[in-house]
Amino acid sequence: ETGVTQSPTHLIKTRGQQVTLRCSSQSGHNTVSWYQQALGQGPQFIFQYYREEENGRGNFPPRFSGLQFPNYSSELNVNALELDDSALYLCASSLNRGGGRSTDTQYFGPGTRLTVL
Amino acid sequence: DAKTTQPPSMDCAEGRAANLPCNHSTISGNEYVYWYRQIHSQGPQYIIHGLKNNETNEMASLIITEDRKSSTLILPHATLRDTAVYYCIVRANFGNEKLTFGTGTRLTIIP
Repeated sequence: ETGVTQSPTHLIKTRGQQVTLRCSSQSGHNTVSWYQQALGQGPQFIFQYYREEENGRGNFPPRFSGLQFPNYSSELNVNALELDDSALYLCASSLNRGGGRSTDTQYFGPGTRLTVL
Repeated sequence: DAKTTQPPSMDCAEGRAANLPCNHSTISGNEYVYWYRQIHSQGPQYIIHGLKNNETNEMASLIITEDRKSSTLILPHATLRDTAVYYCIVRANFGNEKLTFGTGTRLTIIP
């Protein structure tokens, strides 16, 4: 069984640039959730993707956007980067059994460390 | 806001049982208690979860009080590799229920 993978591991960008982070879900999982973790804080929910559509969003501006692909992998895109976007970005995959039934445990990848200068 | 309260830090001697408490007095009937841990700068690692019965797996045991307002995560024989931040989270298992992390408990295992 393949776990959750993320790329790249580290990334350095400058203010105003755009960035794309990638996540491959664990085998058998169809849902991806993205979290932002600033230094010294717990992860904060950005959004979740299920069936290639956004399925819930946290308190993040529209310049944070995402995609999910037919193979359930996902991208997080951040436009117009700001210094405060520097953080560890985590994705987690899970299985949503559909029809409002249970969404199982979320399993996290190793994260992408983004530094904005 | 996180729905749980945890002590900010705890120490435990290597080889002893580590007991990490969590208060979740406003937990709803359909919410589970989840525990994750995060070793420095790595992704959170799932440990265990439960609804109302005590649970045990190869990593830990979870004891939930009968009124479900608090729980304790038990690491039976702590090792240095158990040093991490431990997060207690309550979450319903339907729809798009996100994980709401608090500040967790920083557990340090002392040699």
